[in-house]
Amino acid sequence: AQSVTQLGSHVSVSEGALVLLRCNYSSSVPPYLFWYVQYPNQGLQLLLKYTTGATLVKGINGFEAEFKKSETSFHLTKPSAHMSDAAEYFCAVSEGETSGSRLTFGEGTQLTVNP
Amino acid sequence: EPEVTQTPSHQVTQMGQEVILRCVPISNHLYFYWYRQILGQKVEFLVSFYNNEISEKSEIFDDQFSVERPDGSNFTLKIRSTKLEDSAMYFCASRPDSPLNEQFFGPGTRLTVL
Repeated sequence: AQSVTQLGSHVSVSEGALVLLRCNYSSSVPPYLFWYVQYPNQGLQLLLKYTTGATLVKGINGFEAEFKKSETSFHLTKPSAHMSDAAEYFCAVSEGETSGSRLTFGEGTQLTVNP
Repeated sequence: EPEVTQTPSHQVTQMGQEVILRCVPISNHLYFYWYRQILGQKVEFLVSFYNNEISEKSEIFDDQFSVERPDGSNFTLKIRSTKLEDSAMYFCASRPDSPLNEQFFGPGTRLTVL
């Protein structure tokens, strides 16, 4: 069975500061990992994904994440926060075809960016 | 850019009534999904659909729920007799053939059961 844990339901940073959103996963097979962002009253938008290959993946809006198998982690980072980054962020795992590629989401992290 | 669309954006219904939530997936996608998000909780998988049949469903997806692809474009979720606890945001998603591809989500339908 697959699961995701996001540490910190709320993270607050200052504009220009480093953003670090934590995600740990559990999977019985090599996982596919995703970060989605949800702005108020909108759907889920993909930020980035890891499926195979390079473990450091870059996404939209300057975000990146590193897949660390030994730590079962896929933390999301951005060197310098912008006000427009304020949103809710969801980490998700899929076990590919072994589970019909259903996504299992974490609880979400609400990011606040202070001026 | 192609996108998943959902209608209505907000549906209010009385307990015990039937509701149908509609989705138009991206046209060349082959896999379709429904997820829900109860207010303040995480997004939960309901069902996946491929080749005109359910490929996987969660324990949430009981006999009160059904899905259908009535034509070449729409994908619907029906709740036969709504309960208060069905109040949630319902998201439709679709993806192309390979599981390496991400799922594309619609904007959601907020269902309120009174």
